[in-house]
Amino acid sequence: QVQLQQSGAELAKPGTSVKLSCKASGYTFTSYYIYWVKQRPGQGLEWIGYIYPGNGGTYYSEKFKGKATFTADTSSSTAYMLLGSLTPEDSAYYFCARRGNGFAYWGQGTLVTVSS
Amino acid sequence: DVVMTQTPPSLSVAIGQSVSISCKSSQSLVYSDGKTYLHWLLQSPGRSPKRLIYQVSNLGSGVPDRFSGTGSQKDFTLKISRVEAEDLGVYYCAQTTHFPPTFGSGTKLEIK
Repeated sequence: QVQLQQSGAELAKPGTSVKLSCKASGYTFTSYYIYWVKQRPGQGLEWIGYIYPGNGGTYYSEKFKGKATFTADTSSSTAYMLLGSLTPEDSAYYFCARRGNGFAYWGQGTLVTVSS
Repeated sequence: DVVMTQTPPSLSVAIGQSVSISCKSSQSLVYSDGKTYLHWLLQSPGRSPKRLIYQVSNLGSGVPDRFSGTGSQKDFTLKISRVEAEDLGVYYCAQTTHFPPTFGSGTKLEIK
C-alpha cells in the first residue's frame, strides 16, 4: 500500500534552515509528483509546490520561491524540502502528498516551530 | 489562481442528521479532457487530510456511502447523510483542474 512517512518535529531558531523528509513506499517513486502543503495552526491548506522525482523537475508557488527548495533521492525514495531563512511565520505543519486521484495519499505531517 | 469559496465556515449537527457543504470556484473546473477535478477532503483533529471524494462524485476507497458529492462547472456540494461522531473535523474542497492546485478555506463540522 502507498505510504508517505515524514520526518519528526523540528524546533529551529529564526534565520536558520530545516530540511524535512518524506519517504515513499508502495509505489514507483519516480512515476508520481510529490506535492508539499503548508498548514499554520488552526488555518487552511496552502500549496507550496512540487517535485517530480522522475527527472528532478520542480515548481514553486510564487509565495514560496526563495523560501522552499525541493530535492529527491531516488535511491531511497525520499523527497526533501529545505526551508530557509526561517521566521516565526514559517511555524506550521508541512505535509507531503502524492499527486493524483484527488490527493489520495498524504504524509502524517511535520511540525516546524520557529522560535528564539 | 482559482479561488475556492466554501460555505458555511462551520456547522454544528446532531448525530443522525444530514448536512451539506457548498464549494464554489471562481472558474469552471471542467478540464480539457471533459473531466472535473474537484475533490473533497476531511481533516480529523490532529490528523493529516484524508480524501473522501474525487472528481466531484467518486467515493474514495473505504469511505462510507453516507458521503456523496454533486455539482458541475463552478458549483459543488458535499452531503453527509446520518452524521456520525467520527465525521467531526474540517472539510476542504480542492481543485486540480487548473494549475496551481487550490483549496477552499474549510468547513468545520462539530457534533452537538
